[in-house]
Amino acid sequence: AQSVAQPEDQVNVAEGNPLTVKCTYSVSGNPYLFWYVQYPNRGLQFLLKYITGDNLVKGSYGFEAEFNKSQTSFHLKKPSALVSDSALYFCAVRGYGNNRLAFGKGNQVVVIP
Amino acid sequence: KAGVTQTPRYLIKTRGQQVTLSCSPISGHRSVSWYQQTPGQGLQFLFEYFSETQRNKGNFPGRFSGRQFSNSRSEMNVSTLELGDSALYLCASSLDLRSGRAGNTGELFFGEGSRLTVL
Repeated sequence: AQSVAQPEDQVNVAEGNPLTVKCTYSVSGNPYLFWYVQYPNRGLQFLLKYITGDNLVKGSYGFEAEFNKSQTSFHLKKPSALVSDSALYFCAVRGYGNNRLAFGKGNQVVVIP
Repeated sequence: KAGVTQTPRYLIKTRGQQVTLSCSPISGHRSVSWYQQTPGQGLQFLFEYFSETQRNKGNFPGRFSGRQFSNSRSEMNVSTLELGDSALYLCASSLDLRSGRAGNTGELFFGEGSRLTVL
């Protein structure tokens, strides 16, 4: 079965500082990895994905993520956080051949002005 | 291109009632999945439909059911509502992984959700 762990409940960062949200995964075979963001009372918005190829993937709103196969990690990063980045971030994994996503519990990111 | 549309956005029911939620996927997407989001359990997979057939099912009781129509629109139904069914129900659509379309990696696109409150 596929699963995701997001070890921190909340990530606090000062505006302008680098932001990192951690994610580790478990899946049989090659992983399909995703990051989504959720604002209050909204659905999930797709940020970026890793399927194959370059381990550093770039996504929307200046976010990027680094895939590390040996550490089974897929950490989300942003070089300079904005107050508007404050939201709930979800990491998700899907095994090959199915559309079922396993989500982590989510990380609340708070960017302090 | 229109996104995933869910209706209603908000609804209040009482215990024992039933509820039907609707989802219209992105045009051309034939796979529709449903997820339940609660503060305690996070995001949990309910089921996935493709070409009017349930392809995957999560660990939810039989009170939770769904269906998909020939135009790919989907509905989910919860019968005999319990207080614990209060949640945000999210629908997601995607291209099928086996569609063969170039660049298709099957990411899910979510609607805004239907927030159900059971009193």
